[in-house]
Amino acid sequence: GESVGLHLPTLSVQEGDNSIINCAYSNSASDYFIWYKQESGKGPQFIIDIRSNMDKRQGQRVTVLLNKTVKHLSLQIAATQPGDSAVYFCAENPTGNQFYFGTGTSLTVIP
Amino acid sequence: DAGVTQSPTHLIKTRGQHVTLRCSPISGHKSVSWYQQVLGQGPQFIFQYYEKEERGRGNFPDRFSARQFPNYSSELNVNALLLGDSALYLCASSLRAAYNSPLHFGNGTRLTVT
Repeated sequence: GESVGLHLPTLSVQEGDNSIINCAYSNSASDYFIWYKQESGKGPQFIIDIRSNMDKRQGQRVTVLLNKTVKHLSLQIAATQPGDSAVYFCAENPTGNQFYFGTGTSLTVIP
Repeated sequence: DAGVTQSPTHLIKTRGQHVTLRCSPISGHKSVSWYQQVLGQGPQFIFQYYEKEERGRGNFPDRFSARQFPNYSSELNVNALLLGDSALYLCASSLRAAYNSPLHFGNGTRLTVT
């Protein structure tokens, strides 16, 4: 099966600092990636996506970087806020029918 | 606009029983996918439906089945429940069944099997 993993299971940052969450994927054929945020008791919430023909994409306070050479994905959150505390998942789609999710990184923002 | 809605939100069943979970997609979305999320893990793919047809199936036993209705809503059925079926069941909708069509998730149904 596919392997989508996260380098750090937990991450604590001070409010106002930038956060970087990393993800490694295994299928070099994967063409589309999504970052999700999941708060306690809720379903995953779409944050940002990126296709393999791009190496960077920016949203509101978030940036996703894709390095296809080393099969690495990262999510950068600028000026992290307490509301950013959640579990973050990366997901890859190599086949069109299903997304493969990593185990998640728990981000805690310290006020 | 309403997002993906799932019902019920919580459910407790005993081993051997069956369960039906329901999902209404975002208006205009024609594809529905089901995922199982065990505590502490990422979601795992169960099914994808598009235009009432099954487009993909994950590595789950035949006790799991699903269907999609003409209004694009969907049901997930699980027969002969096992303790290991306890999980959060997530429904996600997307505009298309294409690989680059992002999934939008509901808040899930928390199933507990005792």
